[in-house]
Amino acid sequence: KQEVTQIPAALSVPEGENLVLNCSFTDSAIYNLQWFRQDPGKGLTSLLLIQSSQREQTSGRLNASLDKSSGRSTLYIAASQPGDSATYLCAVRLVYQAGTALIFGKGTTLSVSS
Amino acid sequence: EAGVAQSPRYKIIEKRQSVAFWCNPISGHATLYWYQQILGQGPKLLIQFQNNGVVDDSQLPKDRFSAERLKGVDSTLKIQPAKLEDSAVYLCASSLNSGSNTEAFFGQGTRLTVV
Repeated sequence: KQEVTQIPAALSVPEGENLVLNCSFTDSAIYNLQWFRQDPGKGLTSLLLIQSSQREQTSGRLNASLDKSSGRSTLYIAASQPGDSATYLCAVRLVYQAGTALIFGKGTTLSVSS
Repeated sequence: EAGVAQSPRYKIIEKRQSVAFWCNPISGHATLYWYQQILGQGPKLLIQFQNNGVVDDSQLPKDRFSAERLKGVDSTLKIQPAKLEDSAVYLCASSLNSGSNTEAFFGQGTRLTVV
């Protein structure tokens, strides 16, 4: 059974710091990995999608890497800002008999203080 | 491009009552998902549709939950009767298909409180 773990569960940093969020998964047979952002009381916003054949994806101050063989992904946020405060969720897309599905971790709640 | 629309945004009901949620996916998206997110947890897949057919409902508590996607577009998720532990955010998502390159897009969710 695929399990997705995110460490740390919560993180507080001052504005301007660079930070790394970690995601690990137990089954390396994934199609892709997607990082989402969730603001309180809101839905999920897709940040980055990394295909299983890719090593990393970048969007602005965000960089996500994927090491499928070791079952790890990291989300790097450069020069953090208070507006980055949110919960960050990692999800892997895996194949099973009925099709494909996204399996989520519990998330990392980030707080950036000004 | 319009995103995934869900309604209502919030719902408070008493236990043993019934409730229904509605989702309108992004136009042209064949795959639709319903997820349940309990406070402090990641979303858990309840049911997945490909067009109007069910692909996976293995984690749907079928004694009380039901879902349909008539005509392969909008979908409704129903709970009858509701229990206290059903309090959660119910998220609808859609993707172009269920293939390897597909990206999932989520709605704002419906926050259900059962009292």
